[in-house]
Amino acid sequence: GESVGLHLPTLSVQEGDNSIINCAYSNSASDYFIWYKQESGKGPQFIIDIRSNMDKRQGQRVTVLLNKTVKHLSLQIAATQPGDSAVYFCAENDDYKLSFGAGTTVTVRA
Amino acid sequence: KAGVTQTPRYLIKTRGQQVTLSCSPISGHRSVSWYQQTPGQGLQFLFEYFSETQRNKGNFPGRFSGRQFSNSRSEMNVSTLELGDSALYLCASSLATGESGYTFGSGTRLTVV
Repeated sequence: GESVGLHLPTLSVQEGDNSIINCAYSNSASDYFIWYKQESGKGPQFIIDIRSNMDKRQGQRVTVLLNKTVKHLSLQIAATQPGDSAVYFCAENDDYKLSFGAGTTVTVRA
Repeated sequence: KAGVTQTPRYLIKTRGQQVTLSCSPISGHRSVSWYQQTPGQGLQFLFEYFSETQRNKGNFPGRFSGRQFSNSRSEMNVSTLELGDSALYLCASSLATGESGYTFGSGTRLTVV
């Protein structure tokens, strides 16, 4: 079957350092991907998206990279802050539905 | 502008009962989709509606149903509740195809006892 998954379930990062969260997908026909952040007690919050005709997209302190050759996504967070502590999900949009990976819990150390 | 509103925030129900959850999308958003989130299964797609029509449905039993009204508000219903239905139910809205992003509500926490 086709699925979207994250490589690591947890990531601990020092405040001020850069974070990299990885995601592998299996549907080579996927053409739209989204990264979400979910804090405790809240719904997923949109961070950044990317379409398959792009390799890289930048937002405020975040960058998403797409490698279609190996079907890999990554989310880079610059200068990680305590408020970045959350669970991060990648999602693949296909046929009006999102398929989510299992998520990576990011913990920022002071 | 107002975000996606889900009501109620919390619910406790008994096995065998039925429950209805409500979702009001962002103004102007005509697509509403529903997801179930559990620690074991993660986020799973339930169904998606656009202009009162279901366009896609996930792999859930027929006890899970939904509908969308002409004002784009949506409801989902779960009948004959089971303990395993305990979860966070999330609603997301988008403009039409979803390729402008989906905005999620805070969810309804359903506990079945």
